[in-house]
Amino acid sequence: SAVISQKPSRDICQRGTSLTIQCQVDSQVTMMFWYRQQPGQSLTLIATANQGSEATYESGFVIDKFPISRPNLTFSTLTVSNMSPEDSSIYLCSVAPVRLGTGPRTEAFFGQGTRLTVV
Amino acid sequence: AQSVTQLDSHVSVSEGTPVLLRCNYSSSYSPSLFWYVQHPNKGLQLLLKYTSAATLVKGINGFEAEFKKSETSFHLTKPSAHMSDAAEYFCVVSVNNAGGTSYGKLTFGQGTILTVHP
Repeated sequence: SAVISQKPSRDICQRGTSLTIQCQVDSQVTMMFWYRQQPGQSLTLIATANQGSEATYESGFVIDKFPISRPNLTFSTLTVSNMSPEDSSIYLCSVAPVRLGTGPRTEAFFGQGTRLTVV
Repeated sequence: AQSVTQLDSHVSVSEGTPVLLRCNYSSSYSPSLFWYVQHPNKGLQLLLKYTSAATLVKGINGFEAEFKKSETSFHLTKPSAHMSDAAEYFCVVSVNNAGGTSYGKLTFGQGTILTVHP
């Protein structure tokens, strides 16, 4: 399993500002994932964060709006830039630890999420 | 490509009666399938997972799900609902490559809100 610490847990921000969300994992993982859950909606993958390379963004998400850092195998940040009320969502970090040699069909683990409100 | 369809956005049952939450999937390769639960203002919790072993999967809190390849379904059931089961449930498919490797990239269904009446 994996324990994920995500912070802040919640924040209220002014439009036009930026917020950086941190995700810390208690073990080394190859890939980290960032999801968004808009109010009343399901989770949508924003991007995959790989250590040592640029993040891979899903359709509809761009690096200028959601820059991601992945400085090592246990840590990542997601920044929500130039925020507007439409960015009000829960942002979640996720990992799926892969144990070499055992068939890597493991479940994903999630942080508690960051509840962002933009006013 | 893969996708997940949860057939009911809301399900309402009485306490002590059976629960059925329906899920259909599509996947290019042999999928890994999961059910997660999200209680209000809480994080996501894994209920159960299917990863190509037994087709009937038992999870926590008395839930189980059956993988039916011919029907591309992975419905979640529980014989007797409890008040504490009220939550939102997500059916999830993992992106696997042709070799069956999954690195945790997930596609979520739209979610089913389960309400349990006394």
